[in-house]
Amino acid sequence: DAGVIQSPRHEVTEMGQEVTLRCKPISGHNSLFWYRQTMMRGLELLIYFNNNVPIDDSGMPEDRFSAKMPNASFSTLKIQPSEPRDSAVYFCASTIALGTSVYYEQYFGPGTRLTVT
Amino acid sequence: AQRVTQPEKLLSVFKGAPVELKCNYSYSGSPELFWYVQYSRQRLQLLLRHISRESIKGFTADLNKGETSFHLKKPFAQEEDSAMYYCAGSDSSYKLIFGSGTRLLVRP
Repeated sequence: DAGVIQSPRHEVTEMGQEVTLRCKPISGHNSLFWYRQTMMRGLELLIYFNNNVPIDDSGMPEDRFSAKMPNASFSTLKIQPSEPRDSAVYFCASTIALGTSVYYEQYFGPGTRLTVT
Repeated sequence: AQRVTQPEKLLSVFKGAPVELKCNYSYSGSPELFWYVQYSRQRLQLLLRHISRESIKGFTADLNKGETSFHLKKPFAQEEDSAMYYCAGSDSSYKLIFGSGTRLLVRP
């Protein structure tokens, strides 16, 4: 198993452009998380999906951010329009969750390093 | 507010020396606590969790409810232990709160 797959690994874009980050969770996992990592704020949860349904998007910074999970094997995080302050590493993680417990290990992808100039 | 604090950004020790990475938490109730590790050019991965009470790669972590701490310890550091370590907590929901991380550098 290749684990959680994210693409692209690196993205450089200009301010105002649309950015789409992609994630393929581990097969059989029913929960997916998007995190953002910055020097200032560390690792923050952006949104959590359970069985393809967004359960908690309270961490999404603003309306410029949106996330979808059209099926169990694919999720996207979109930023439109992008701004320099969105520059960060974005991680996707997946796990099997029974109920709401996170006692189950979260498996992280390699991350996408986004730079907005 | 729920919070996990790692006071040290960098911890540098010599090979064979004891290591203690500090983690303090602020939660109402009894959280579940974890240590995640990220080795150079690798993914963030779970190192150990409080509920399992296990020792992984020689590391242990004891929950001290009185001091609200979950420090990570290893009696003899190895060069391959050099990595970024994150403490994380959960209030039994899906949400993990991560500390800011401590970079451990083990010198030869």
